[in-house]
Amino acid sequence: DAGITQSPRYKITETGRQVTLMCHQTWSHSYMFWYRQDLGHGLRLIYYSAAADITDKGEVPDGYVVSRSKTENFPLTLESATRSQTSVYFCASGAGGTLSTDTQYFGPGTRLTVL
Amino acid sequence: GNSVTQMEGPVTLSEEAFLTINCTYTATGYPSLFWYVQYPGEGLQLLLKATKADDKGSNKGFEATYRKETTSFHLEKGSVQVSDSAVYFCALSVMNRDDKIIFGKGTRLHILP
Repeated sequence: DAGITQSPRYKITETGRQVTLMCHQTWSHSYMFWYRQDLGHGLRLIYYSAAADITDKGEVPDGYVVSRSKTENFPLTLESATRSQTSVYFCASGAGGTLSTDTQYFGPGTRLTVL
Repeated sequence: GNSVTQMEGPVTLSEEAFLTINCTYTATGYPSLFWYVQYPGEGLQLLLKATKADDKGSNKGFEATYRKETTSFHLEKGSVQVSDSAVYFCALSVMNRDDKIIFGKGTRLHILP
């Protein structure tokens, strides 16, 4: 399917477990982003990537790991999940270039609950 | 630093009412400004954008004008519909070494039939 997809859409896990959230885009966009959305905080950037094998920290990177071996995939891993990581996670992509005028395209989100 | 402040919600209006959602920003350099919309159960999608002062972005009956003198980018619509019920995010991006979009906290809009 064309566009940007996330899997799973819903995930329940336990404290201390490792969890990987998947993100796949079919546009060959250079940039990809991971955000978390929490009530009262809006949208906060976790990590982003300007191209394959290039990643950088966002506003709230602690407890998360990303990789980008292929342009189209940008998985987010919670190495040891904590209750504070219960959130809705959104992946986004953008064509890049002059990023300041670029549009980001968002996936449908993954709702993660850590018990 | 760069930041976006938008009015807190929720905002509740009747159908066909006039809508304004306020957004002001602080930025170093020359930002591009955006409004994104999030419908229930979905991710964000771009509603409109403006890349320089005095530009007006428009889409689906919504408009916002980039006002550099007041550092504002208020969202307006002349006659809202029930289908406009969503969360609206004001955002900015300033081209620098860390090219990122800074989002406001979002304003939830409820339109009553």
